[in-house]
This record gives sequence, C-alpha cells and structure tokens, in this order.
Amino acid sequence: SQQGEEDPQALSIQEGENATMNCSYKTSINNLQWYRQNSGRGLVHLILIRSNEREKHSGRLRVTLDTSKKSSSLLITASRAADTASYFCATGNFGNEKLTFGTGTRLTIIP
Amino acid sequence: DTAVSQTPKYLVTQMGNDKSIKCEQNLGHDTMYWYKQDSKKFLKIMFSYNNKELIINETVPNRFSPKSPDKAHLNLHINSLELGDSAVYFCASSQERGRQETQYFGPGTRLLVL
Repeated sequence: SQQGEEDPQALSIQEGENATMNCSYKTSINNLQWYRQNSGRGLVHLILIRSNEREKHSGRLRVTLDTSKKSSSLLITASRAADTASYFCATGNFGNEKLTFGTGTRLTIIP
Repeated sequence: DTAVSQTPKYLVTQMGNDKSIKCEQNLGHDTMYWYKQDSKKFLKIMFSYNNKELIINETVPNRFSPKSPDKAHLNLHINSLELGDSAVYFCASSQERGRQETQYFGPGTRLLVL
C-alpha cells in the first residue's frame, strides 16, 4: 500500500511567496526524502532527513520531520518560476530495501 | 556525462508486441531500480538489482523480465504488451543496498501501447 500522501495535491502561488507541502506516512521510517520532478523529466533528489533529525536546510529548502505525527513538511522560500514542478516525498522503512513514494504535490509558481 | 541514461526515450508500439528498455549508470553504484509511473504520477517500484542480483521483485506480471548483465546496466524486457502497460518507466540507481539512500533517476521512457 502507498506509504506517503502529499498535501495539497496541487498548489499555485505567486513568485516570491513561500510554498509549503506536507507529507504523511503510516509506518516507522528510517529516513524521509523529498524529490522534485519537472514536467517530462526524471526525479531529482532534494534533501534527506533521518528519523532522528527534526529539521534540515538546503539553500531555500527547509524540511521538518515529526515522527510522532508521522509527517514531514517541505518549505520552499522566495519561490521562483523554475520551482514549478511536482514534489514527492519518499520514505525508507526499517527492514525494507525500497523507498516508497507518495502521490506528489504539483506546484505552480505564477510569475 | 549523463549519470543515469535510458533508451529509448519514447516507445510507441502495438498490443501484443515485445519490447525492451535499456538503462545504464556511470556513477559506480551497486544498486539499480525500475519504477513505473502511471498517468496520475504515482511512482511504484517494480524491481531492484544489487550487483547483478535481484533483491526486489514486486507483484509485477511475469511478462516483465529485468536483466542485469553487469552492475552498470539494468534492462527491462516486456512480453505481450497490453494497453495497461502504457506509462513512464524510470530507471534509478543508488550507491549501495539496504540503506535507502538517495536515488538517481534517469529521464524516463514513455511507453504507449496502442
């Protein structure tokens, strides 16, 4: 069954605003990752946060992880048109070789 | 100097045909994967190989057969193609197995079965 569910499914904001996407999952995880997929392209890894971490930053990206709520959020600050893409969370679970991807949030940045 | 490459990029074929998709990675990674992304963008793991050994085999019809001639290559052969096989197929690689680390994706192969 699907592990990650992103929320919202779609998000449109003005350039320069911040974008927040959420991911909820069901079972204990080893780590949680966020990926970006531009239209017609493959997925690109953005950031990985381990189960013992609560927050991580990378440039304009900020990821939080709340294992008690089984949720994570991805914040993109000062959005740009080039941030328009689908964003997926993926969970790595203990005792399992694979990553399980969520349903994705389609982000549109309006110039 | 593409990290993970796939061929072909587009594949249009008739129902019942057999086709292959090839994947190569030049990252020196041990583990490679095949994913299927459906029209709703849901990404599902199909297979994974670690150094030519099959380690993940999800509930995929046996019309799909992966082959890994060496750890840098993972090909996917599909027999008797069906309409429902239409999707985007992504190859990915990661440095080593069992640690659920970052995966590097290819550009995808868009398969359309008519």
